[in-house]
Amino acid sequence: AQKITQTQPGMFVQEKEAVTLDCTYDTSDPSYGLFWYKQPSSGEMIFLIYQGSYDQQNATEGRYSLNFQKARKSANLVISASQLGDSAMYFCAMRAWDNQGGKLIFGQGTELSVKP
Amino acid sequence: GAGVSQSPRYKVAKRGQDVALRCDPISGHVSLFWYQQALGQGPEFLTYFQNEAQLDKSGLPSDRFFAERPEGSVSTLKIQRTQQEDSAVYLCASSSLGTGAYEQYFGPGTRLTVT
Repeated sequence: AQKITQTQPGMFVQEKEAVTLDCTYDTSDPSYGLFWYKQPSSGEMIFLIYQGSYDQQNATEGRYSLNFQKARKSANLVISASQLGDSAMYFCAMRAWDNQGGKLIFGQGTELSVKP
Repeated sequence: GAGVSQSPRYKVAKRGQDVALRCDPISGHVSLFWYQQALGQGPEFLTYFQNEAQLDKSGLPSDRFFAERPEGSVSTLKIQRTQQEDSAVYLCASSSLGTGAYEQYFGPGTRLTVT
C-alpha cells in the first residue's frame, strides 16, 4: 500500500528566509509521481510542483524546489525567500502510474506560518 | 469558467437528510476525482471518473455515498441519510487527460456540516 508521511504538523519561518517541509513516502510501485499542494485558508488546493520517480534532476518551480532522494524515499519541499502569502497548509501527495486512474494519496499536511 | 467550480460552498444538513454536491470541472477535462477532507487531515480519495465511466469507487466509505457523471462533464456526489461522521470538506478535481495526466486542478470544495 502507498503511504505519505509528513512529520511536521506546524512550522514557523521568518519572512525572506528559506524553509524545508519534510515528506517521506512508501510504495512498491517502480513508477510513481510526487506532488506538493498548497491549501490556503480559502480551502482550494493549489498545485506547486511535481517530481517523477525517473526524473534525474530535482524539480524546481520559481521559489519552490523539491529535494528528491529516491533511496531514502523522501521528497522534501524547499521554499526560498518566504513571503507572508506563503502561510498555508502544505500537502505532499503521491500517485502511482498504473491503472488506478491517477488518484492521489495525501499526507497529513504541514501548517506553515511566515512571520514578518 | 476558468477553473473547477463546486456548489454549494457550504451545506448544513440534519442527520438523516440526503444531500447532493455538484462539481463543474474544467471544460474538456476527461478525468474527474472526488476527495473527502476531514478537519485537520489530508484529502482522501473517494471516486474517479474517466468521461462518464466511473472507473474507481474504492474510496466511497459506505453505500450511502453515490456519485455520477452522466454526460462526462458535471458530476454529482450524493450522500443519503447523512451521519455526523460525514461532516467534512468534499473536494472535486479534474485533469485533462486519462491516466497519463499528472496535474489535478481542484475546486474550492463544499463544506458539509451534519447536525
